[in-house]
This record gives sequence, structure tokens and C-alpha cells, in this order.
Amino acid sequence: GAVVSQHPSRVICKSGTSVKIECRSLDFQATTMFWYRQFPKQSLMLMATSNEGSKATYEQGVEKDKFLINHASLTLSTLTVTSAHPEDSSFYICSARGTGAGEAFFGQGTRLTVV
Amino acid sequence: KNQVEQSPQSLIILEGKNCTLQCNYTVSPFSNLRWYKQDTGRGPVSLTIMTFSENTKSNGRYTATLDADTKQSSLHITASQLSDSASYICVVSPYNNNDMRFGAGTRLTVKP
Repeated sequence: GAVVSQHPSRVICKSGTSVKIECRSLDFQATTMFWYRQFPKQSLMLMATSNEGSKATYEQGVEKDKFLINHASLTLSTLTVTSAHPEDSSFYICSARGTGAGEAFFGQGTRLTVV
Repeated sequence: KNQVEQSPQSLIILEGKNCTLQCNYTVSPFSNLRWYKQDTGRGPVSLTIMTFSENTKSNGRYTATLDADTKQSSLHITASQLSDSASYICVVSPYNNNDMRFGAGTRLTVKP
């Protein structure tokens, strides 16, 4: 299957700082990328959907000024958690999809810990 | 109410045994239904994908079934292995929609 690479896999940052997570589609062009958040023993919660070259569409309750999403190319999307707080600590996962409503492939996830 | 409900929430079985996980959904009409395996601390990996017209799909020891009339799907794992310990997530995509609706997952533990 297609490969989606997410980096970093783990990150620890101090409260008040910002952290950027990258999601790359390595062998296909991702016209749509999705960002999820997952709390322990819970399912993935969609945060936002981004289409290449367009502004991201955020789910209700997700602060767009806090979770900045950039999808500037067909192979790269980034999620920046700004002014991080301990409650932002979570597992963040991206997925990428090519044209149409085909298969979406997931990255390996990023464990964010805010101290 | 979640549109995709999975049961059981967790399951413990002995190595070598079979098990069946259930997924009930209300998403209608839908484009496809997928089963993913998610190891702890990792992203989900696709096991099977079925359209509304398919009844069964196999991937090695994993066999998924779909009954579009009753809006139920199951994932059957045969001859379980220790490496099967993971969360199994049912995902339904609405028809003509970019969205994916996730179940809460079933946490499977295979013990020696």
C-alpha cells in the first residue's frame, strides 16, 4: 500500500511553546489530508480536513488559531500546535488520500507531551 | 450517538483461537466499509475494504463480512497470534462524501 510518513513520532515541549508535526505522502499525491487526535482507549477524532492549496476545514470545537494546518503541496501537510498546554498532550495522526474517495492511508502518529 | 458502534469493547483470547468482532452502523447510504488494525502508539493500517455490494473480503487470517440490509459487519480472525493484539477499528464512509466515520474500536489481547 501507499506510504504516509509522519514526523516526529514523539515530541515533548514546554507549555507555551509551539510544535510542528509533518505528514508526507511518499509515493502518491495527496489531494486531501486529514488530521486526527486520539485519547487513550478512544477512537480517532477528526480535527480538520485540508485540500492542497486551500484553507483547512475544521471540525466543530477545534480552534483553528491553535491548530494551524498548512497543505501547501501535494505531498506535505503540517499541523502546528501553538501555545501548547498540558491538555494538548495527545496522540495526533494524519491520513492522506489521493484524488476521489479512494483509500486513505495513515501516518504512524505523533505522541505529543506538553510539560 | 455514534454512527458506527463496535462490540465488544475489549476481548481477551488465547493464542491459536478464533474470534469475531462486530460493527453496526447507521451511515446510509455508504460508499465503503473498512477494517483497520491499530497497534498501540501507531497509526491504523488497513485490513479490508468493502463496497456496499460486497459480502465478504479476506486478507490472510482476517475475513470481513458485510450485510448491507442489517447494516452489520464483522471481522473474523482465525488462528490468532500474539501479534494480533491491537485495536481493530471499523470505518464507514458515507456515499459521495469525503468523510470517514470511525467506530470506537475493539481492543483485542491475545495471550499465550
